[in-house]
Amino acid sequence: SAVISQKPSRDICQRGTSLTIQCQVDSQVTMMFWYRQQPGQSLTLIATANQGSEATYESGFVIDKFPISRPNLTFSTLTVSNMSPEDSSIYLCSVRTSGDYEQYFGPGTRLTVT
Amino acid sequence: GNSVTQMEGPVTLSEEAFLTINCTYTATGYPSLFWYVQYPGEGLQLLLKATKADDKGSNKGFEATYRKETTSFHLEKGSVQVSDSAVYFCALLNTGFQKLVFGTGTRLLVSP
Repeated sequence: SAVISQKPSRDICQRGTSLTIQCQVDSQVTMMFWYRQQPGQSLTLIATANQGSEATYESGFVIDKFPISRPNLTFSTLTVSNMSPEDSSIYLCSVRTSGDYEQYFGPGTRLTVT
Repeated sequence: GNSVTQMEGPVTLSEEAFLTINCTYTATGYPSLFWYVQYPGEGLQLLLKATKADDKGSNKGFEATYRKETTSFHLEKGSVQVSDSAVYFCALLNTGFQKLVFGTGTRLLVSP
């Protein structure tokens, strides 16, 4: 298994600003992901964070809006840029350990944009 | 493509009732199947999994059997508790595509 922490746990931001969310894992993992969960909805994959290279974004998500870094095998950041109220969501970091196909999730960052 | 369909909620039960949450899937190949649980205000926790046909995953009194012939992975529990109130997500991982695909989630409300 893997233990994942995220910072901040929640934030209230003004439109037009940016927020960077940090994800720290207690062990080296091969795959890291960022998801968005809008209120009362299921999870939507934003991107796969690749160590040492550009993230792989899903349809509907772009690097300029959601830049991602992954400098090593235990840490990643997601920035939500130029925020609007539509970006109000829970953002979840997730990892998959090598050798099995179990995927684990962080506690989430609850973002409210006013 | 790959997809997961769950029964719509909320599912409302009294304590000690029997629980079934239906999940069916569409996938190419032989996916692994998962149930995740999200308690209020928290992230997702892996509840159980099954990686091949006829496997039964179980945890905390919950169980689900991977049925290839009916492409289903229904979640069951013999006697629910108030503390089981949460949202339950069925998911599949088709290893060829490397992405976890989620159902829409089913909210379970258990009253004393």
